[in-house]
Amino acid sequence: EVQLVESGGGLAQPGRSLRLSCAASGFTFNDHAMHWIRQVPGKGLEWVSLISWNSGSIMYADSVEGRFTVSRDNAKNSLYLQMNSLRPEDTALYYCVRDHSSGGSGWYFDYWGQGTLVTVSS
Amino acid sequence: DIVMTQSPDSLAVSLGERATINCKSSQSVLYSANDKDYLAWLQQRPGQPPKLLIYWASTRESGVPDRFSGSGSGTDFTLTISSLQAEDVAVYYCQQYYSTPSTFGQGTRLEIK
Repeated sequence: EVQLVESGGGLAQPGRSLRLSCAASGFTFNDHAMHWIRQVPGKGLEWVSLISWNSGSIMYADSVEGRFTVSRDNAKNSLYLQMNSLRPEDTALYYCVRDHSSGGSGWYFDYWGQGTLVTVSS
Repeated sequence: DIVMTQSPDSLAVSLGERATINCKSSQSVLYSANDKDYLAWLQQRPGQPPKLLIYWASTRESGVPDRFSGSGSGTDFTLTISSLQAEDVAVYYCQQYYSTPSTFGQGTRLEIK
């Protein structure tokens, strides 16, 4: 069974940092690209970042470019999101999401974690 | 970025009746080289993460009941639930994966009448 378990969310002050983690199991992690997608509670979905199977292709939404860094450790079956210079508008539930393919572009997203809540407030 | 617009924003349907949700993209998500529409439908039940229902506009994900069907091509798409069940109460999203960033519709809230 595919499982994606996010952690690392919490309360952070504006300008501070948080690091999210996603532990993957139940599939061959390095066969798949991965994404971070966020959702303000009660609102819609916003794609944040993607990383291909070998970290060769990495992309970010304009809203986080230069502040967030995605990475993965295939040996540990883990995905990460380093979030720096946090803003109140980054407040959201952050989902770890599996891409059906290894490359990360042009394929659908087939499994979602439960999410970890990030709140940015003073 | 491709803008995805769903209609209606909310919908109330009686149990056993048909529910129809529409999705329009600001540009075509049909890739002519393989004749595939890069369009997915997701279901988000209350308190749950989104779940993939349909991809390539009309292919049901494994385990999804056959009362769910997707249709359309190019810029106009439809999700149909042929006979609404109580467990179908959810917010439904369309999503394009034709180009990065992948973008989502604003969601359609489906309730029981």
